[in-house]
Amino acid sequence: DTGVSQDPRHKITKRGQNVTFRCDPISEHNRLYWYRQTLGQGPEFLTYFQNEAQLEKSRLLSDRFSAERPKGSFSTLEIQRTEQGDSAMYLCASSQGTGGYNEQFFGPGTRLTVL
Amino acid sequence: GIQVEQSPPDLILQEGANSTLRCNFSDSVNNLQWFHQNPWGQLINLFYIPSGTKQNGRLSATTVATERYSLLYISSSQTTDSGVYFCAADSGGYQKVTFGTGTKLQVIP
Repeated sequence: DTGVSQDPRHKITKRGQNVTFRCDPISEHNRLYWYRQTLGQGPEFLTYFQNEAQLEKSRLLSDRFSAERPKGSFSTLEIQRTEQGDSAMYLCASSQGTGGYNEQFFGPGTRLTVL
Repeated sequence: GIQVEQSPPDLILQEGANSTLRCNFSDSVNNLQWFHQNPWGQLINLFYIPSGTKQNGRLSATTVATERYSLLYISSSQTTDSGVYFCAADSGGYQKVTFGTGTKLQVIP
């Protein structure tokens, strides 16, 4: 069990550029989550996948954000036309999602800085 | 959605002291977890505890679901316990997980 991995770990970009992050969940975990965390705050829910289906999206996820999970394995989070306010840590988590059991395991995060 | 509040927001302890962190939630929960976030941002699972009591070494946790709170106990604190502790909960059926604002713990030698 290699845990949840995320790539890249750090990303510096200029305002207006597009960025894409990748998350590889723990194998056989059905559920995958994206969160955003800003300094001094707890992680905030962005979106959730059950296998390949995106079942829930936060209103924090503006039209510039899109997430996919093709084939129900890894997931990507894309931010188009980045803004300075997008600077944050982006966290991915996965869980088995069997019945009501939903213990989540987090990756190391991708720290985004928008200049 | 469910609201999650943590107290205290900040805590400074002398090494060897004990502490109790509290998490209140506004609705019945299906899942509740405690995490420790290290200085590099990694969230480390401490307990999955929607109800009952669990212990792991110097740490233990209790969730009283009927009264909508959970407690994390740290005994004989060490400097490596420093960091931010989060609780996170969801009310099931609706899989959005809500995190509290955290307790920042500093253990000084």
